[in-house]
Amino acid sequence: AQSVAQPEDQVNVAEGNPLTVKCTYSVSGNPYLFWYVQYPNRGLQFLLKYITGDNLVKGSYGFEAEFNKSQTSFHLKKPSALVSDSALYFCAVRDERGGSYIPTFGRGTSLIVHP
Amino acid sequence: DGGITQSPKYLFRKEGQNVTLSCEQNLNHDAMYWYRQDPGQGLRLIYYSQIVNDFQKGDIAEGYSVSREKKESFPLTVTSAQKNPTAFYLCASRPRGQSSTDTQYFGPGTRLTVL
Repeated sequence: AQSVAQPEDQVNVAEGNPLTVKCTYSVSGNPYLFWYVQYPNRGLQFLLKYITGDNLVKGSYGFEAEFNKSQTSFHLKKPSALVSDSALYFCAVRDERGGSYIPTFGRGTSLIVHP
Repeated sequence: DGGITQSPKYLFRKEGQNVTLSCEQNLNHDAMYWYRQDPGQGLRLIYYSQIVNDFQKGDIAEGYSVSREKKESFPLTVTSAQKNPTAFYLCASRPRGQSSTDTQYFGPGTRLTVL
């Protein structure tokens, strides 16, 4: 089965500083990777995805993610953090179950941006 | 959250009672999913359905049941057999028949508290 790991439960960063939220993956074959964001008591919102092509993927709200095959990583980044970026971030990978493609999610990383 | 509605937002039930959570989508998506979210555990898949009148168990289906009689509706029943039902429940949908890498769209969630 495919899986992703988010090694940090929480990331703290000052507003205006760059931020990185880490994700590593374990897949057989080509990985299809996603990042989602969840604000308190809300559903998840899609940020970006990697299927193939450029290793740097640009997404919503100024976020981007870097796919690194040698390190099996797909870290989420933003050059300058905003307080409003504070939320729960989930990395996900496409998995296959009985012929259906189902995303498998990491445990989530809480991002806290301090003013 | 647009296009997928979950009701109610907050739900309280006594232990031993069955309760049904509603999920409706007007996105014309074929596939629908139910996840359970607990602090520090990410999203865990309960059930999913790729087409009407068909559904499959996810990773934690015990104590839950679903139906898919209409394309736009995928209700989840939390039965008295579920040992620890208090959690945040998320419904999602995805178009089928397009690229399998298409992203999921999430509803706003229902927070169930069993007293």
